[in-house]
Amino acid sequence: ETGVTQTPRHLVMGMTNKKSLKCEQHLGHNAMYWYKQSAKKPLELMFVYSLEERVENNSVPSRFSPECPNSSHLFLHLHTLQPEDSALYLCASSQAWGSNQPQHFGDGTRLSIL
Amino acid sequence: SQQGEEDPQALSIQEGENATMNCSYKTSINNLQWYRQNSGRGLVHLILIRSNEREKHSGRLRVTLDTSKKSSSLLITASRAADTASYFCATDHAGNKLTFGGGTRVLVKP
Repeated sequence: ETGVTQTPRHLVMGMTNKKSLKCEQHLGHNAMYWYKQSAKKPLELMFVYSLEERVENNSVPSRFSPECPNSSHLFLHLHTLQPEDSALYLCASSQAWGSNQPQHFGDGTRLSIL
Repeated sequence: SQQGEEDPQALSIQEGENATMNCSYKTSINNLQWYRQNSGRGLVHLILIRSNEREKHSGRLRVTLDTSKKSSSLLITASRAADTASYFCATDHAGNKLTFGGGTRVLVKP
């Protein structure tokens, strides 16, 4: 148990569907992150929220839309995805926003686009 | 371009042996972190080493950092089957974000 819970664990969707990934952290952390992990590629940072404000947006296509309603919850809304978006999406949190902070990861959502 | 690169990409050892993997990076860093990822799971933080530190230990793990060579190593001593996982280094090179390497896949055979 890492203290970071992601749901669903697996998701299969068509390119025209709309779905959302959910992340919840029970660690009292102030920063939350979305990463994309594709086969044979390094982990890619997508978004960072610090105290519920987006502080990093790494040139992610607009078909990915993050939402952070409070410091414990983070969502990634998906619409009109492409086959190359199939990947493991990982959520993480840290005590504060900063690269000197260890990050705590959830177990990810395995996303498959048909 | 990716900041940290692990070497080797894959490593197979017998239980009880030591495993060593390396991470090289291109520009100066403030700190470097190592993470482990078991199959189908998220990453787990192992050790953070700051740029003014040369070595850190945590249980059976030993991390070294050589800023003159822009490299770090992770040593797992007396490996166990449960150490089978992918290991990633992550560097901070600018601002507040970490950049992860491609990882080393370690297989510990019983």
